[in-house]
Amino acid sequence: DIQMTQSPSSLSASVGDRVTITCRASQAISNSLAWYQQKPGKAPRLLVSGASTLQSGVPSRFSGGESGTEYSLTIDSLQPEDFATYYCQQYYSDLYTFGQGTKLEIK
Amino acid sequence: QVQLVQSGAEVQKPGSSVKVSCKVSGGTLLNSAITWVRQAPGQGLEWLVTSIPMFDRTNIAQKFRGRITVTADEDTKTSHMEMSGLTSEDTATYFCAYGYGAGVVWGQGTTVIVSS
Repeated sequence: DIQMTQSPSSLSASVGDRVTITCRASQAISNSLAWYQQKPGKAPRLLVSGASTLQSGVPSRFSGGESGTEYSLTIDSLQPEDFATYYCQQYYSDLYTFGQGTKLEIK
Repeated sequence: QVQLVQSGAEVQKPGSSVKVSCKVSGGTLLNSAITWVRQAPGQGLEWLVTSIPMFDRTNIAQKFRGRITVTADEDTKTSHMEMSGLTSEDTATYFCAYGYGAGVVWGQGTTVIVSS
């Protein structure tokens, strides 16, 4: 199975900060990578698919990037509603896998 | 606009089975894939299975093979995920998601508690 190593596991930041979360795939996944945001008690929300394609309605302060087998989610100018847990997911293989998650907390 | 509505919470005994449903509105099962994901209390997301009815394909995570069955009823636009041999470690919220690859639309989640 393809392993997704997500870091950091937690992150403390302030409103207005720029933060980056990364996921490293154990093998090439050809940009078949999604990022989700999840708030407590809620279902995940798709933010980015295809490594860098922002979903409709997602603010432009979110962006996805890629460098080899490392994928990133950057949030520019954090807003109060952005404090949540973020997950990456690969769908290159028929056997999907998620990263361990990154909990973004207010400093 | 596609929406998913899942069945209600379940309490099951160890060793039993549970069947969770996911009803699609605003779309069809045949035009997409349905993925099932679970989240144990305080834990991350765990991919279980993806069903692609149009191609009659079901991909199941290795650790759940032999325990998970997914069926699709196009007449009612409902996907059913059944898990057998329940243990306390299966206590979790189970989500369905619609879309090929990435889950574009998600159900609200179904809590399954396994307890004697």
